[in-house]
Amino acid sequence: AQSVTQPDIHITVSEGASLELRCNYSYGATPYLFWYVQSPGQGLQLLLKYFSGDTLVQGIKGFEAEFKRSQSSFNLRKPSVHWSDAAEYFCAVGARGGNNRKLIWGLGTSLAVNP
Amino acid sequence: DTEVTQTPKHLVMGMTNKKSLKCEQHMGHRAMYWYKQKAKKPPELMFVYSYEKLSINESVPSRFSPECPNSSLLNLHLHALQPEDSALYLCASSQDQGDPGANVLTFGAGSRLTVL
Repeated sequence: AQSVTQPDIHITVSEGASLELRCNYSYGATPYLFWYVQSPGQGLQLLLKYFSGDTLVQGIKGFEAEFKRSQSSFNLRKPSVHWSDAAEYFCAVGARGGNNRKLIWGLGTSLAVNP
Repeated sequence: DTEVTQTPKHLVMGMTNKKSLKCEQHMGHRAMYWYKQKAKKPPELMFVYSYEKLSINESVPSRFSPECPNSSLLNLHLHALQPEDSALYLCASSQDQGDPGANVLTFGAGSRLTVL
């Protein structure tokens, strides 16, 4: 069955520290990969996506993610976290080919940032 | 305009009320979505409209009734809801890509619904 795992339910980092949020997926082929962020009381916003090509992708707000086919992972990173990065982060995958427009979502990682 | 606008932001209703949630986008997107999100959970897909036609209904109870009057508007009509329907209801839109799985979603800020 297709699934997305975000192993860390909650992470706390200090402002200025580096960040890595993990995402692993189970899928028959390489899916489309997404990271979305949800600030408190808000909707979700796309941070970045991977479709093909360079496995290191850059997103908004200084985030990047690396696709590793051998590990079925798409981890999100940021070299220096800001207090405004405190939010819920969701990894999601989309089916490649066919007519399936339903994303499969991870359960999310809640990020807290200490001043 | 790169926004999805949802109204109202907050709604409190009784189990016998009829209310509607509204969503509007002017990005020329041809697919529009309703999601339901419980606290600290990922969004759950409810409905998808593609080119103003309902293309996905994720076995949602009939007390939720979607409507897509035109390519910019999406409504969710609510009737006889239950307290467990209390949640954040998110609207999203996307260009309808050739491969639907590649659709990038633009979300609204949501309508927080409380059913008493």
